Amino acid sequence: GESVGLHLPTLSVQEGDNSIINCAYSNSASDYFIWYKQESGKGPQFIIDIRSNMDKRQGQRVTVLLNKTVKHLSLQIAATQPGDSAVYFCADSNFGNEKLTFGTGTRLTIIP
Amino acid sequence: GAGVSQSPSNKVTEKGKDVELRCDPISGHTALYWYRQRLGQGLEFLIYFQGNSAPDKSGLPSDRFSAERTGESVSTLTIQRTQQEDSAVYLCASSQMTGNQPQHFGDGTRLSIL
Repeated sequence: GESVGLHLPTLSVQEGDNSIINCAYSNSASDYFIWYKQESGKGPQFIIDIRSNMDKRQGQRVTVLLNKTVKHLSLQIAATQPGDSAVYFCADSNFGNEKLTFGTGTRLTIIP
Repeated sequence: GAGVSQSPSNKVTEKGKDVELRCDPISGHTALYWYRQRLGQGLEFLIYFQGNSAPDKSGLPSDRFSAERTGESVSTLTIQRTQQEDSAVYLCASSQMTGNQPQHFGDGTRLSIL
């Protein structure tokens, strides 16, 4: 079946630096992509989403980039803060099949 | 409340017992989803409800798992004759509608089978 995976299981970044978390997806029919942040003992928290008719979307300190040609998704976090330390998941779905397919996650650690 | 509410937050039970997990979605959200998250892993889809349509049960791992939803409100996930491999965090999410809207999650029920 289709799956969404992450290239790096862990990432450490100096506070104040920018971080980039990458994700590959395999389902060419996927048309919706979403990033979540999960802190210990909590449920996933929505960060940002993007539809397949876009290749870039920006939020507050976050940017999601979508490259449909190589089925690659990335999350950029600018000026990282200690509160950004968490596990980040990407997930995808397609219209008419709204269940999300998640990767295993990347643990981001911000070094003070 | 403002967010998705799940209860209990923790549940410890003996192998072979039945458990019932509850989810209160965000008010006005017509779509409701259940996922399972094993330790250190991503989320696995279990089932979703959308309005009065038949639920998508394609992710339920066995016939010991079932779920119900009353209208567009509370949902319960039931696991019968629990096994140790059922130990996981069970997460519920809701969204305003289907068609690519963000799913908002509760904090889950941590289920431990002894």
